[in-house]
Amino acid sequence: RKEVEQDPGPFNVPEGATVAFNCTYSNSASQSFFWYRQDCRKEPKLLMSVYSSGNEDGRFTAQLNRASQYISLLIRDSKLSDSATYLCVVNGDSNYQLIWGAGTKLIIKP
Amino acid sequence: GAVVSQHPSRVICKSGTSVKIECRSLDFQATTMFWYRQFPKKSLMLMATSNEGSKATYEQGVEKDKFLINHASLTLSTLTVTSAHPEDSSFYICSARVQGNNSPLHFGNGTRLTVT
Repeated sequence: RKEVEQDPGPFNVPEGATVAFNCTYSNSASQSFFWYRQDCRKEPKLLMSVYSSGNEDGRFTAQLNRASQYISLLIRDSKLSDSATYLCVVNGDSNYQLIWGAGTKLIIKP
Repeated sequence: GAVVSQHPSRVICKSGTSVKIECRSLDFQATTMFWYRQFPKKSLMLMATSNEGSKATYEQGVEKDKFLINHASLTLSTLTVTSAHPEDSSFYICSARVQGNNSPLHFGNGTRLTVT
C-alpha cells in the first residue's frame, strides 16, 4: 500500500458543481496534512492546511478523518480556474518528512 | 506569506555541461530546503534534503556526485546538475519550510531544464 494515495482522475465536472476527492494515508501517527494545487508546468501552491476539526476557506472545505485515515477536499460552486491537479501531503515518521500523493486531476468544463 | 525564489526559471544546455540552480528564501531563514524533480505527468519526487552547514541527505537512487547540493547560508541552497544528459531534462523545484513542525512547504517557481 502506498503511503499516500489519491485517485488520479481526471474528474470532469461542470462549472458550478460541487466536487470532492479524498486522499488516504497509511501512517496513523501523521499529524500534518495539506492540500496543494498544481497547474500544468507550474510549481505546487499551498491551497490549505487541514486541521483536525476541519476547516473552510471560501469555496474550499478540508476535512480529516483519523479513524479511516483520509483527508478530503470539497470544492463548491466550481470555477473554470479550479482546473488543476490537487496534491495531498502528509507528514511521515517525523514532521520533518512530508509525503506527497500523486495528485488528482480536476477539469472544470463550461 | 513566506516566499521562495528560484532561479533560473528555464535553462537549455548542451549535453555534458553543468547547470546551477539557486533557491532562496526571501523573508525567512530556512535551515532545511528540499529539492524535487518532476517529469511530465508524474508526481513530485524528492531528490534530496539540503541542510545548512552540513551535507545534504539524498533519496535512494539519486546520485550525490551528479546532483551537487550546497546550502551555504540560511537563505540559499544551490543544486548543480553536473555533466547533464538529455535524461536529466526535467522540472526541478525547491522548497522550504518556515520553522515549526506543522508548517507547510513553500515552493520556488521551478526550473525547467532541457538538455540537448
